[in-house]
Amino acid sequence: SQQGEEDPQALSIQEGENATMNCSYKTSINNLQWYRQNSGRGLVHLILIRSNEREKHSGRLRVTLDTSKKSSSLLITASRAADTASYFCATDASGANNLFFGTGTRLTVIP
Amino acid sequence: EAQVTQNPRYLITVTGKKLTVTCSQNMNHEYMSWYRQDPGLGLRQIYYSMNVEVTDKGDVPEGYKVSRKEKRNFPLILESPSPNQTSLYFCASSSLGRGEETQYFGPGTRLLVL
Repeated sequence: SQQGEEDPQALSIQEGENATMNCSYKTSINNLQWYRQNSGRGLVHLILIRSNEREKHSGRLRVTLDTSKKSSSLLITASRAADTASYFCATDASGANNLFFGTGTRLTVIP
Repeated sequence: EAQVTQNPRYLITVTGKKLTVTCSQNMNHEYMSWYRQDPGLGLRQIYYSMNVEVTDKGDVPEGYKVSRKEKRNFPLILESPSPNQTSLYFCASSSLGRGEETQYFGPGTRLLVL
């Protein structure tokens, strides 16, 4: 299975701090996406980074991708209590028709 | 409003009693997919469909069936549910299903099989 793994499994920080989550995967990919899930709800797309990109920004989100290490990181700057959620990375294997999701990082931002 | 809907949202049933979870999208997406989410295991794909009448197995298809008779609907069928199918189920859709496509998720169906 290509399923990715996020690290850490859980992260607790104070409001205003930065949160960094990592994702590792197993095979070559075309793209990597990050999704957010509020408790028990559907996933919401955050950002996509292509295999030929190294870094991408969207608002307070910064994503990096290192294809040589098969890893990605998601940085949330100046965290807010509303950022409390689970975050998943999703990868597509070259030639595949679907996404493989990781196991997620549970982020808690303490007001 | 563009959305993916699932019904029911919550379901308690007993072993062996056939059930169907419906999924519908209003975005004219070709690709639809079912996932199950279990603690510590993340999301695992059950089945997916690239278009009408085209379905394929995902990572964990055993015990499930799907159909895609219309573009907007992709029901998940459990012919004989068992307790190990107790889970949180998500339907998702995207334009074409390739990795560069954003997937839009439904709100989830929480299933308990007794």
